[in-house]
Amino acid sequence: AQKITQTQPGMFVQEKEAVTLDCTYDTSDPSYGLFWYKQPSSGEMIFLIYQGSYDQQNATEGRYSLNFQKARKSANLVISASQLGDSAMYFCAMREALNAGKSTFGDGTTLTVKP
Amino acid sequence: NAGVTQTPKFQVLKTGQSMTLQCAQDMNHEYMSWYRQDPGMGLRLIHYSVGAGITDQGEVPNGYNVSRSTTEDFPLRLLSAAPSQTSVYFCASSYRIPGNNYGYTFGSGTRLTVV
Repeated sequence: AQKITQTQPGMFVQEKEAVTLDCTYDTSDPSYGLFWYKQPSSGEMIFLIYQGSYDQQNATEGRYSLNFQKARKSANLVISASQLGDSAMYFCAMREALNAGKSTFGDGTTLTVKP
Repeated sequence: NAGVTQTPKFQVLKTGQSMTLQCAQDMNHEYMSWYRQDPGMGLRLIHYSVGAGITDQGEVPNGYNVSRSTTEDFPLRLLSAAPSQTSVYFCASSYRIPGNNYGYTFGSGTRLTVV
């Protein structure tokens, strides 16, 4: 069964610095996708970045990058040059190819950016 | 604007009442899902669909029914509301083909309170 673990309930970062949010996963499916979502205090869920298990390069989307280490089964989110608007809850999620209709989410990490 | 539309945004039910949460998307997404989010926690999958006429159970399906008669609509029915179903409900949809737009688009959520 697929499983996502986020071990950091809360993180603090100084404005303009980089921060890494940890995510480890477990799956027996060789084909899968990894995702990060942002949930601001307003409650909406926003898709940030996607990494496929066969992708050779780490995914990047603007200030977001995904540090994908397949052998370690980790998919950490790196946010560069943090901004006050980055303060939010961040969720890691996974989707297996054999069960692509559903995703499993971690419990989330609350990020607070300090001015 | 294209996206996922959920109604209502807020609802209070009495124990034992039934209701339907509506979800519609206009992006021609094949996959649709319903999640619930309890305070301070991640998302748990209730039901999902990989296409019109095809639905399946997720992690916490008891007390809920779904149907998908069209690609656009995926309503969630609460059969007999219980206080344990107090939560925020999210509908989400996505394309079927892995790639950079493979992440979920979420609705704005329905905050349900059962008294």
